[in-house]
Amino acid sequence: SQQGEEDPQALSIQEGENATMNCSYKTSINNLQWYRQNSGRGLVHLILIRSNEREKHSGRLRVTLDTSKKSSSLLITASRAADTASYFCATEDQGGKLIFGQGTELSVKP
Amino acid sequence: EAQVTQNPRYLITVTGKKLTVTCSQNMNHEYMSWYRQDPGLGLRQIYYSMNVEVTDKGDVPEGYKVSRKEKRNFPLILESPSPNQTSLYFCASSLSRRLDEAFFGQGTRLTVV
Repeated sequence: SQQGEEDPQALSIQEGENATMNCSYKTSINNLQWYRQNSGRGLVHLILIRSNEREKHSGRLRVTLDTSKKSSSLLITASRAADTASYFCATEDQGGKLIFGQGTELSVKP
Repeated sequence: EAQVTQNPRYLITVTGKKLTVTCSQNMNHEYMSWYRQDPGLGLRQIYYSMNVEVTDKGDVPEGYKVSRKEKRNFPLILESPSPNQTSLYFCASSLSRRLDEAFFGQGTRLTVV
């Protein structure tokens, strides 16, 4: 099965609310990355967190990593309609291979 | 502008007719890879290349070929496409395989009938 499983698969919220997406993985990793994909478009890199980091911020994004639980979360604060997209986590394993999860489809209603 | 360019963006073809999807990057990246994206399966790596003339299989290489004759180009070749290769394909490049952000192309939506 895929490493990097996102939860939930779909999330619908109102503008201004916070959105939280979770990612679980199975094997040891070097880093974990979050990507955004607008419908039918390429992926855009959002943030990378290394295995020795626990939390990272970038603008309205906050990523946490718990290597003991093999899980990560992406929090988008004060969401906007323009945040509507699919969000993927990707783990880089010890061999340097990047493995993507299935994604969370976020819908932010104005 | 740094970018990864894929062509074509959309392609409808028939079973068995050989096709090539081109990918070009202008960032002098050594590492390039191809992914396919299918509903419920996320992105899966098809092939990757760590440098010129160095290519290796990803998770789902069957039915695909690649070549890396120049650093900037990494074409994906389907010698005899089948309907199960209908998918959305992405090319990506990065400075190295480790700890780097990957730049993705805009995608190629392929339909094999």
